[in-house]
Amino acid sequence: KAGVTQTPRYLIKTRGQQVTLSCSPISGHRSVSWYQQTPGQGLQFLFEYFSETQRNKGNFPGRFSGRQFSNSRSEMNVSTLELGDSALYLCASSVTGTIKDTQYFGPGTRLTVL
Amino acid sequence: EDQVTQSPEALRLQEGESSSLNCSYTVSGLRGLFWYRQDPGKGPEFLFTLYSAGEEKEKERLKATLTKKESFLHITAPKPEDSATYLCAVQSNNAGNMLTFGGGTRLMVKP
Repeated sequence: KAGVTQTPRYLIKTRGQQVTLSCSPISGHRSVSWYQQTPGQGLQFLFEYFSETQRNKGNFPGRFSGRQFSNSRSEMNVSTLELGDSALYLCASSVTGTIKDTQYFGPGTRLTVL
Repeated sequence: EDQVTQSPEALRLQEGESSSLNCSYTVSGLRGLFWYRQDPGKGPEFLFTLYSAGEEKEKERLKATLTKKESFLHITAPKPEDSATYLCAVQSNNAGNMLTFGGGTRLMVKP
């Protein structure tokens, strides 16, 4: 079974631009969660989507948004990029995101903001 | 607010030298505690899930245990390929599918 895939793997943007990252979950998985990983803050939860609906949201500004499509693929968007948005963005998928369900992570997208 | 603290931050071992990594947590109703391994430049790789105090799980040289306040990841006779960052995360009953991660323990095993 193919794992979680994320595209692109690397991105370089400048301040003020916007960016869209894509995540394809494991086949059959309907829950997709996004995390930001930085050396200073570690791994932090951004949001979770299930059946095209945002089910949970972390403590990030409104510049961070996402969506999920009917095939469970998900995208996240960051508008008006800031230097501090430079991070590894990780996507994780699980079957339903309910009790005793494991999240499996993709390889991440490394975003650098100049 | 859920909190997870991992110690030590970094650990250097000689090949074959067994040790333990600690994960202390504060959570309002534990739904599950997860251990992941992360290699540089890669996403976290799932290792174990523990659901209740007293539970233990093993995989090759790794053994995870859980109490009401902490979890341990025991590494028996480690090899250089066990070098990685080990991440602990908790999921609470009132936070949906969200994982709250600790800062990780960076393990280096020298031959």
